[in-house]
Amino acid sequence: GAGVSQTPSNKVTEKGKYVELRCDPISGHTALYWYRQSLGQGPEFLIYFQGTGAADDSGLPNDRFFAVRPEGSVSTLKIQRTERGDSAVYLCASSPIPGGGYGYTFGSGTRLTVV
Amino acid sequence: AQKITQTQPGMFVQEKEAVTLDCTYDTSDPSYGLFWYKQPSSGEMIFLIYQGSYDQQNATEGRYSLNFQKARKSANLVISASQLGDSAMYFCAMRYISNFGNEKLTFGTGTRLTIIP
Repeated sequence: GAGVSQTPSNKVTEKGKYVELRCDPISGHTALYWYRQSLGQGPEFLIYFQGTGAADDSGLPNDRFFAVRPEGSVSTLKIQRTERGDSAVYLCASSPIPGGGYGYTFGSGTRLTVV
Repeated sequence: AQKITQTQPGMFVQEKEAVTLDCTYDTSDPSYGLFWYKQPSSGEMIFLIYQGSYDQQNATEGRYSLNFQKARKSANLVISASQLGDSAMYFCAMRYISNFGNEKLTFGTGTRLTIIP
């Protein structure tokens, strides 16, 4: 596609439920990142994929968070047993350069609200 | 550890005036890069300008320029001739290599810029 697509754009879920957030990167981009942006803050790194593998998942806050990228394109961020503190905007970015370079393109994000 | 500091939570500027958004950074790595992104209310991060730590000249992109002062560890964004459409959140970010060998970005807390007609 022309840009990085994230779906849904908004998600409201009840505390304790499971959610999946999808990121469709620019075609051919091998590097994919997930960031989380809490209210009033800058984005914070969650996980980095190079191809199909998670090369760096050091930013995932706990084991309720998991992400996959099975075919090296679309990625899904999965959150189990959601908590109110998980409410944030989840941003995805992709890059054509292995390792990122400065060619990042961000999606518009998924705004997750846990009630 | 890498850190970005943006000390201006909000700014109001008259249309057509120039505006400077402050950014200071902290890193012990000799190789790094500095970005400025614009985030309108729609949420996407729009790339504005990039400066590499070894670049000799300050980066410019149209109305945007980056005032890079390496010794002072500052990378201020200058927007010339501001327009109403410049109203948005602005984030300074630093690119660095993590302990895993991959690139990461670390962001500041942002500055909300409002252009007054």
